[in-house]
Amino acid sequence: GAVVSQHPSRVICKSGTSVKIECRSLDFQATTMFWYRQFPKKSLMLMATSNEGSKATYEQGVEKDKFLINHASLTLSTLTVTSAHPEDSSFYICSARVAGLQNNEQFFGPGTRLTVL
Amino acid sequence: KQEVTQIPAALSVPEGENLVLNCSFTDSAIYNLQWFRQDPGKGLTSLLLIQSSQREQTSGRLNASLDKSSGRSTLYIAASQPGDSATYLCAVRNSGNTPLVFGKGTRLSVIA
Repeated sequence: GAVVSQHPSRVICKSGTSVKIECRSLDFQATTMFWYRQFPKKSLMLMATSNEGSKATYEQGVEKDKFLINHASLTLSTLTVTSAHPEDSSFYICSARVAGLQNNEQFFGPGTRLTVL
Repeated sequence: KQEVTQIPAALSVPEGENLVLNCSFTDSAIYNLQWFRQDPGKGLTSLLLIQSSQREQTSGRLNASLDKSSGRSTLYIAASQPGDSATYLCAVRNSGNTPLVFGKGTRLSVIA
C-alpha cells in the first residue's frame, strides 16, 4: 500500500517557539493532503485540507495564522505551529489521497506527538 | 454536517470471544466507509474499506458490514486475541473529494 511518513515523530518545545512538521508521500503523488489533530482519548479532528500549489482550506475554528500549511509539491506538505502554547500539545496526523485511484483512499502517516512546555 | 458515532466507547472481553463494534452516521449519502485500528500513541492502520455500493468486506478474522440506508456499519471480530487490543475507529466520506469524518472510536481490551 501507499506509504506516508511524518517527521519528526515526537517533538518537545518551549512555549512561544514554532514547530514544523513534515508529511511526505513516499511512493505516490498526493494531490491532496489532510491534517488532523487528536487529543488524548479523543477522535481525529480535521484541521485543514491542502491541495498542491494552492492555499489550504481550514475547518471552522482552526486559526490559519497559527497553523501554517504549505503544500509545495505532490509529495510534501508541512504544518507549522507558530508561537506554540501548551494547549497546542496534541497528536498531529497527516493523510494523503492518491490522485486517480478509484477509491480515493486516504493513507495516514504515523503521527507527530507535540508537547509544548 | 456528517456525524459519526461509535458504541460502545470501551469494551473488555476474554480471549476467544467473537465481538461486534458498532458505528452509525447521520448522513446516509456516503461515498465509502473505512475501519481503522490505532494502537496507543501510534498512527492509523486501515483495516477495511467498504464502498457505498457494497454490503460487506472481509479480511481474515475481520468482517465489516454496511447498511447505508439505516446509516450503520458493524465490525465483527472473530476469535479475539490479546493482540487485537487497540482503539478501533470508524470513518466515512461523503464524496470522493471530501475528507474522512471520524467517530470517537471503541477502545477494545482482549484479556488473556
